[in-house]
Amino acid sequence: DARVTQTPRHKVTEMGQEVTMRCQPILGHNTVFWYRQTMMQGLELLAYFRNRAPLDDSGMPKDRFSAEMPDATLATLKIQPSEPRDSAVYFCASGFMTGGFNYGYTFGSGTRLTVV
Amino acid sequence: GENVEQHPSTLSVQEGDSAVIKCTYSDSASNYFPWYKQELGKRPQLIIDIRSNVGEKKDQRIAVTLNKTAKHFSLHITETQPEDSAVYFCAANYGGATNKLIFGTGTLLAVQP
Repeated sequence: DARVTQTPRHKVTEMGQEVTMRCQPILGHNTVFWYRQTMMQGLELLAYFRNRAPLDDSGMPKDRFSAEMPDATLATLKIQPSEPRDSAVYFCASGFMTGGFNYGYTFGSGTRLTVV
Repeated sequence: GENVEQHPSTLSVQEGDSAVIKCTYSDSASNYFPWYKQELGKRPQLIIDIRSNVGEKKDQRIAVTLNKTAKHFSLHITETQPEDSAVYFCAANYGGATNKLIFGTGTLLAVQP
């Protein structure tokens, strides 16, 4: 089965440090989402890309978060500086969309971030 | 606003009974409605999806129904088994050309043996 690969799987960092999470979407997928999951907020959309272009990052705190897709095989989510309230599981999901038609999205295994 | 409401937040059923989870959305332009199952500590996995050109879709013990007029869609699980215990999320696409996927708040389903 094709998989979305996320690294690292776990990250513990001190408050104020920079954190970078990486996602390799499934080959051929043209859409990538970043979601944050906490117990209180469910699956919260942070940012997403289609054909590597950022389409919506309205859910992302702009002062400390940034998302990029330097090429079709890599999406990154960066937090600088990190804060304890950023502790959560960060999921990447990829899928294919064309002509307004969605073909389903596959999630990666997530990065569990703990900021102490 | 761009939100998907999901009910109930928790659901407990006896093995063999049916379970129904309901969601509502607000954008009449939404046309794609997937359902995901997430087991503890694992990633959400797509179990079934429906598009706005059909009213119902079945896959073995699971089915999804869509009422476009009322902007409701529901997940039905029949003959529940303990391995169906998980958190289930509904989602809908919003935003016209940007077509982003917004999730409901999840339903914790517990199937009692």
